[in-house]
Amino acid sequence: SAVISQKPSRDICQRGTSLTIQCQVDSQVTMMFWYRQQPGQSLTLIATANQGSEATYESGFVIDKFPISRPNLTFSTLTVSNMSPEDSSIYLCSVADRGDYGYTFGSGTRLTVV
Amino acid sequence: AQKVTQAQTEISVVEKEDVTLDCVYETRDTTYYLFWYKQPPSGELVFLIRRNSFDEQNEISGRYSWNFQKSTSSFNFTITASQVVDSAVYFCALNQAGTALIFGKGTTLSVSS
Repeated sequence: SAVISQKPSRDICQRGTSLTIQCQVDSQVTMMFWYRQQPGQSLTLIATANQGSEATYESGFVIDKFPISRPNLTFSTLTVSNMSPEDSSIYLCSVADRGDYGYTFGSGTRLTVV
Repeated sequence: AQKVTQAQTEISVVEKEDVTLDCVYETRDTTYYLFWYKQPPSGELVFLIRRNSFDEQNEISGRYSWNFQKSTSSFNFTITASQVVDSAVYFCALNQAGTALIFGKGTTLSVSS
């Protein structure tokens, strides 16, 4: 199955600042997905990132707040902009594996906004 | 629209008990995939199983088993002889090929010794 390196693993940020999260995959993948997991909650899809095109955002998420970069088939970044305490969550990237391995997830970025 | 319901928010059992986690899904698609993931306290998501809509055979993997019934739109997960290491949040998820997963709200399983 694919291996994803996600950085940073955690961060504590001041409100009003921005944080960029990186995901590097060890193989080429067409689509990458970004999720948010608020404390004690399930995973919610933020956007789908295709290489060479703009990301597709889910209802409730906007590009100005969560800009996504997808410069090639193995890498993507998610920026959380102008952060507030409500943005404190775990952010995860994911890719679809070939075969029956399901979808692989990065180890997550645990973000705390103070 | 697709939806996954995990009605059990929390389950507590004692070691060696069997436990079943329920998952009910909604979709209008004839081709779809169902998943179970485990999220231990460390936070990572661990893939357990993927099942496609045309394969209703039950699956067994060690102490884990899954029962897929299209007639009731359910994909339940049973842990036999539970262990403390099984304590985690378990998510059921659904998708079409190549699309993002839609997750249920998760069931927190606590296994005490």
